[in-house]
Amino acid sequence: RKEVEQDPGPFNVPEGATVAFNCTYSNSASQSFFWYRQDCRKEPKLLMSVYSSGNEDGRFTAQLNRASQYISLLIRDSKLSDSATYLCAVNMETSYDKVIFGPGTSLSVIP
Amino acid sequence: EAQVTQNPRYLITVTGKKLTVTCSQNMNHEYMSWYRQDPGLGLRQIYYSMNVEVTDKGDVPEGYKVSRKEKRNFPLILESPSPNQTSLYFCASVDLGGELFFGEGSRLTVL
Repeated sequence: RKEVEQDPGPFNVPEGATVAFNCTYSNSASQSFFWYRQDCRKEPKLLMSVYSSGNEDGRFTAQLNRASQYISLLIRDSKLSDSATYLCAVNMETSYDKVIFGPGTSLSVIP
Repeated sequence: EAQVTQNPRYLITVTGKKLTVTCSQNMNHEYMSWYRQDPGLGLRQIYYSMNVEVTDKGDVPEGYKVSRKEKRNFPLILESPSPNQTSLYFCASVDLGGELFFGEGSRLTVL
């Protein structure tokens, strides 16, 4: 089993739709969790950190389920500009030298 | 402006010709890391460094070397490149909150 797994998609959704991505991780001792956004041929950039209590930033909501070992990202009211690949990242240890990325989920928002 | 700078951005070389990809960050981060990104495989960590003169192997270190003589610089060295090292390479530095700041990427082709 891979350490961090995501459904690669692609997810093709109409503008205004709500879309959710999940990411599962294998190491129950994982410490911290992140969602990154990567536009085509560009570097990944942090979208949001994922806290135990869940967190929301505008149209984006991230959740952590430690019992089932997954994190989720919910995007409401999708915009064309949300089209990108979304990478989940899991830090396996207490220091930040062991961050494992999922393969990414591709999202296309269609007019 | 906080940034991570990689050079070269694009490089075509031949098998066996040593090359170095430079990486420099201006955020005074202790942690730095190199990743390669390949279709279907996502981002895989090559090497990381927790501080000056402290480096360690990631998941795919074979064929690569690194050094960390100064906090700001973390070059990636390919002593004898081979075609299977054709990839998109990202350098990243990590802040105390665990956020990775990526360089713009270096696209390497080994013929």
